[in-house]
Amino acid sequence: QVQLQESGPGLVKPSETLSLTCTVSGDSLNSAYWSWVRQPPGKGLEWISYMYYGGSTNRNPSLKSRVTISVDTSKNQFSLRLASVTAADTAVYYCAGVLSATYFHWGQGILVTVSS
Amino acid sequence: QSALTQPASVSGSPGQSITISCTGTSSDVGGYNYVSWYRQHPDKAPKLMIYDVTKRPSGVSNRFSGSKSGNTASLTISGLQAEDEGDYYCSSLTSSSTVLFGGGTKLTVL
Repeated sequence: QVQLQESGPGLVKPSETLSLTCTVSGDSLNSAYWSWVRQPPGKGLEWISYMYYGGSTNRNPSLKSRVTISVDTSKNQFSLRLASVTAADTAVYYCAGVLSATYFHWGQGILVTVSS
Repeated sequence: QSALTQPASVSGSPGQSITISCTGTSSDVGGYNYVSWYRQHPDKAPKLMIYDVTKRPSGVSNRFSGSKSGNTASLTISGLQAEDEGDYYCSSLTSSSTVLFGGGTKLTVL
């Protein structure tokens, strides 16, 4: 059974960089694409990015310049960095396992608040 | 990229059938059979209900079905039950190899 778990700070100051890690268990990182999705409080889902362990990546055009996604196969983890955050980046961030644009497995989500 | 268009809310009584639509363009919904549907209960992660337009993951009730016509995909839930209540989101692959989600539909079981 594939499980994903997000971790990272729940509070980030404006203009700083949000950093989250997703730990995958029950599967290998070379078996699928891995992705980040966020959901602002009371709003809908927003796709952020996905990557394949071999290096293929894609990012939401509206966030592209601020997003970095990376993978650490030795730890079976992948990470998200979102630079220059503002209050608009406050959201629940989900990591997920993806095949053919289908989100088969989701983490439980982590709330990140941007505030000074 | 703009979100796929879904009705904000739908409702139905137990036992009835409802359909939720998801409208995009020929560059996403209409161009690919990579449309998925997710159900989200409050403060929970989304759960996959339908993928590749019509396929059901193991464990999902056959009361859930998907279809597509042109640039609009649809999710139909038959024999509505209280547990079906929640927020439903569609998603699609796009011509830019990005992923688009719909704005979400709140399903209320009366």
